Amino acid sequence: KAGVTQTPRYLIKTRGQQVTLSCSPISGHRSVSWYQQTPGQGLQFLFEYFSETQRNKGNFPGRFSGRQFSNSRSEMNVSTLELGDSALYLCASNGGQRGEKLFFGSGTQLSVL
Amino acid sequence: QKEVEQDPGPLSVPEGAIVSLNCTYSNSAFQYFMWYRQYSRKGPELLMYTYSSGNKEDGRFTAQVDKSSKYISLFIRDSQPSDSATYLCAMSDPNYGGSQGNLIFGKGTKLSVKP
Repeated sequence: KAGVTQTPRYLIKTRGQQVTLSCSPISGHRSVSWYQQTPGQGLQFLFEYFSETQRNKGNFPGRFSGRQFSNSRSEMNVSTLELGDSALYLCASNGGQRGEKLFFGSGTQLSVL
Repeated sequence: QKEVEQDPGPLSVPEGAIVSLNCTYSNSAFQYFMWYRQYSRKGPELLMYTYSSGNKEDGRFTAQVDKSSKYISLFIRDSQPSDSATYLCAMSDPNYGGSQGNLIFGKGTKLSVKP
């Protein structure tokens, strides 16, 4: 089975721009979660999608948004980028019933200049 | 108080040593406990998960959960240089808002195994 695919791997943007990140989960998985990872805060939950519906959202501003398509692929968008948005953005494909089997992609490393 | 506390290390051990990694938590609603390994510039890789209290063994890895003390551990036997990575504990409350993908992570312990 192919793993979780995230594109692009690296992005460099400037303040004020917007960015869209893409995630293809493991085939058959219908739930996708997004996380932000920074050295200071560690891994923080952004949101989760299941069958094209946002099921839960973390404590992030409205500039962070996402969506899921009928084929379970997901995108997240960050508008009006700030320097503090520089981070590794990770997508996870949910293979369990209780969150016990999250499989992560390699992430998108976003640098905001 | 943070929900999950994990010593960031770094932890340096000689090859062949037994490694003990630990996390404490405050939310008694957590039911599933996971350990992830993360190599530099990669996403976290699921090593093991356990449900409720007890031990679980998988090869050189043993996970322990003590819910009464709100304390979890990961033991690595016969550690190898290839085990050098950051180890993250994670926990889930499956009743939280119906979400199954919202894990609470520790900040990770950086482990270095020297040949």
